[in-house]
Order: sequence, then C-alpha cells, then structure tokens
Amino acid sequence: GESVGLHLPTLSVQEGDNSIINCAYSNSASDYFIWYKQESGKGPQFIIDIRSNMDKRQGQRVTVLLNKTVKHLSLQIAATQPGDSAVYFCAENYTGGFKTIFGAGTRLFVKA
Amino acid sequence: GAGVSQSPRYKVAKRGQDVALRCDPISGHVSLFWYQQALGQGPEFLTYFQNEAQLDKSGLPSDRFFAERPEGSVSTLKIQRTQQEDSAVYLCASSLVFSGGDEQFFGPGTRLTVL
Repeated sequence: GESVGLHLPTLSVQEGDNSIINCAYSNSASDYFIWYKQESGKGPQFIIDIRSNMDKRQGQRVTVLLNKTVKHLSLQIAATQPGDSAVYFCAENYTGGFKTIFGAGTRLFVKA
Repeated sequence: GAGVSQSPRYKVAKRGQDVALRCDPISGHVSLFWYQQALGQGPEFLTYFQNEAQLDKSGLPSDRFFAERPEGSVSTLKIQRTQQEDSAVYLCASSLVFSGGDEQFFGPGTRLTVL
C-alpha cells in the first residue's frame, strides 16, 4: 500500500519504552482536539480526544495533555508496541464548527 | 457493523478526464466530511454535509471540484477536467452529530493518480 508521510518528522523508540509525540495547534478558538493514528493504506483512526475545559485525559495506554497557554498538545503512549508504528496526527476543531484542521504528522517507528 | 467505505480504492485518470469518487458513511451518521491528503501531509478539509445539506465547501480548491449527498447518506465527490495537482488520497469521514466536534470515522480513502 501507499506509504503515508514519507518526509515527516520521525520518532524512533524501543519496544516497551514510553513515547511522547508533540503538536502545536494554530487556532486560539479551538476547543476540541483529537489524536489520530494512520497506517499505510488506511484512513486515520481515532485514538483519543480532549476538550478545552480539561488539561489531561487518559485512555488505554494513551494520555493526551493540553496546554492552552502555549497552544500545545501531546500524546503519550505507554509501553510502546510494534503495532503502534504509524503516522500520528493531531487535529483541532471548535464546537459548532465543521472544519477540522490536521497537523503535519509524526511518524512513530517502534524497534523490536 | 460496517465502517465507512469508499470506492474505487484506486483511480488512474488521464489529465482532463472527469472522475467520481464514492463514499458510503456509517448508517445513521448525520455528518459527512471530505478531505484531500497529499503524500507526506495531513488531511486537508474539503467540504462538509449535514444530512443532504452542504454547509461548508470552503476547502474545495477550485470550481472543478463538486460534492453532493442528495439523500443524506451516500456522497460523491466529482472532479472535472482533472489536473496533475489533483493527485492525492481523498478521504471521507462521517460522524453521528451535527458538527466537527465529535469523533469522525474515516474510510480507507481513494488514491487518485492523474497522469
């Protein structure tokens, strides 16, 4: 299948380590933020979201942190596994709006 | 249940041809989005439907791009007189609620190559 993100920033981690992927968002009015995972030949897959009234949200092995002061979002993946290898995108939107804006993406490579 | 499906998965067109890309959203989803994803980049918003109403088409790059969702379910993205710069993956997504502020479910995309 087609390779997604040939020239994206790459994060390489050892299996079992924790991964942190960072993202700067652009719109101060955004109040809804999402992390997506995209594997080659597939559409983006929802991982976790957070609304602007929170600064941290946890899921299964994933945590999203939101810092509205500096417009920064991060995704933490605990005990990274080979199956986590993919391109990760942050995205922003605002309640009532239709246009979701995606960031440039980061390729995560997990070494077994 | 079935997710979002798109067809064809791959389309090769000669420059100047018209193409039509189909999206079948998840049944009952009100919102439908089209995105364009160039190689090595994130998806870029093209247009949004709420049921059959096209409420935002600000992302369509030119008047050669046209989208419709006449019965509020299946949607078609049509590109007339294709150009090489139209080569990209076209993604469709649907969500249950009335805005972009909720989880969107993406299809696998249609990869369009214009020769």
